[in-house]
Amino acid sequence: DIQMTQSPSTLSASVGDRVTITCRASQSISSWLAWYQQKPGKAPNLLIYDASSLESGVPSRFSGSGSGTEFTLTISSLQPDDFATYYCQQYKSYSITFGPGSKVDIK
Amino acid sequence: EVQLVETGGGLIQPGGSLTLSCAASGFTVSRTYMTWVRQAPGKGLEWVSVIYSGGSTYYAASVKGRFTVSRDNSKNMLYLQMNSLRPEDTAVYYCARCPYVAAAGGAFDIWGQGTMVTVSP
Repeated sequence: DIQMTQSPSTLSASVGDRVTITCRASQSISSWLAWYQQKPGKAPNLLIYDASSLESGVPSRFSGSGSGTEFTLTISSLQPDDFATYYCQQYKSYSITFGPGSKVDIK
Repeated sequence: EVQLVETGGGLIQPGGSLTLSCAASGFTVSRTYMTWVRQAPGKGLEWVSVIYSGGSTYYAASVKGRFTVSRDNSKNMLYLQMNSLRPEDTAVYYCARCPYVAAAGGAFDIWGQGTMVTVSP
């Protein structure tokens, strides 16, 4: 299986900060990567697919980049609604795998 | 409205069986790549199984041979039959839709609210 790692595992930030989360794959996954936001007690919400395509309805402050084995999710100006846990997911393989998550909390 | 609603969770003893259901509305399950993802309490997301529009199915190693994914096209429903349940299967189970298969899989744009399965004596 393709293993996914994320860093940092926890990030403390303030409203207005630029935030970057990194996701790495154990082998090349081309651009077959998605990013999700999850809040406590809620289902995940798709933010980015195909590494850099913004899902409809997602604010433009979210962006994704990367290919191969290294990817980033950037929030250009953190808003109060953005405090949550973020997961990456690869879908190059039928055996889908998620990263362990990165929690963004209030500094 | 496009939505998914899971039902069927509950408390079950180790070794027992349970079937989860996922009712879809606003789209056709049989034409869509559908998946089950679970999340143990306080933990991350774990992919469980997938069923392609053509009917092919795949499972995570942790559930292979114990879980079966299926669908009822006439009812527009997705199911997860879970046998030989273990305490480590305790989790919220989500069904989710992938609107298109980009590689072997895809991203999931619609998720249900989840149903809790607790495996305990």
